[in-house]
Amino acid sequence: GEDVEQSLFLSVREGDSSVINCTYTDSSSTYLYWYKQEPGAGLQLLTYIFSNMDMKQDQRLTVLLNKKDKHLSLRIADTQTGDSAIYFCAERGGSSASKIIFGSGTRLSIRP
Amino acid sequence: NAGVMQNPRHLVRRRGQEARLRCSPMKGHSHVYWYRQLPEEGLKFMVYLQKENIIDESGMPKERFSAEFPKEGPSILRIQQVVRGDSAAYFCASSRRHEDNEQFFGPGTRLTVL
Repeated sequence: GEDVEQSLFLSVREGDSSVINCTYTDSSSTYLYWYKQEPGAGLQLLTYIFSNMDMKQDQRLTVLLNKKDKHLSLRIADTQTGDSAIYFCAERGGSSASKIIFGSGTRLSIRP
Repeated sequence: NAGVMQNPRHLVRRRGQEARLRCSPMKGHSHVYWYRQLPEEGLKFMVYLQKENIIDESGMPKERFSAEFPKEGPSILRIQQVVRGDSAAYFCASSRRHEDNEQFFGPGTRLTVL
């Protein structure tokens, strides 16, 4: 079946890099996403990557995809207090797939 | 250009009452998706609708839950005879075309059942 797994918590020092990892099971996944959710708020799409790509960089964000191992990671460079949030990894099985499958979210906390 | 709008933002119901959650998609979007987020969990797909049609309801509980997206007006997620286990955040998303990469999410409705 379809499943997305990610660790629940990550704590990093301000100014360090954060790396959030995710594994998924659906080999037909075509789009892989990272969403950010701040307390009491909706979901903000941070970035996405097509399954035929290995890497995507967007300012402080770097996404790495290892399709063979079905492993996705999000690196946030120079982590700031405003990056504190829950980060959801998600996948979609192709443009015909109705649903996006979400992981349980990784809560990123920043320490001074 | 307003984003996806949901109301109410917070809804409190007693067990056995009905809950109606409304979602207005972004302008020009005719595809609506509902997701449920239980406490400390990720979002789970419930239903996908296009104007006046339910396309995929594979994530909807078989009883008490229904959804519609009429020709005019917002999409409605209706929960009859609510129970405590229905307490969750309900998110709506919309897209212009079904095959678009991104589904744009609303701020959610937080339902609390007493």
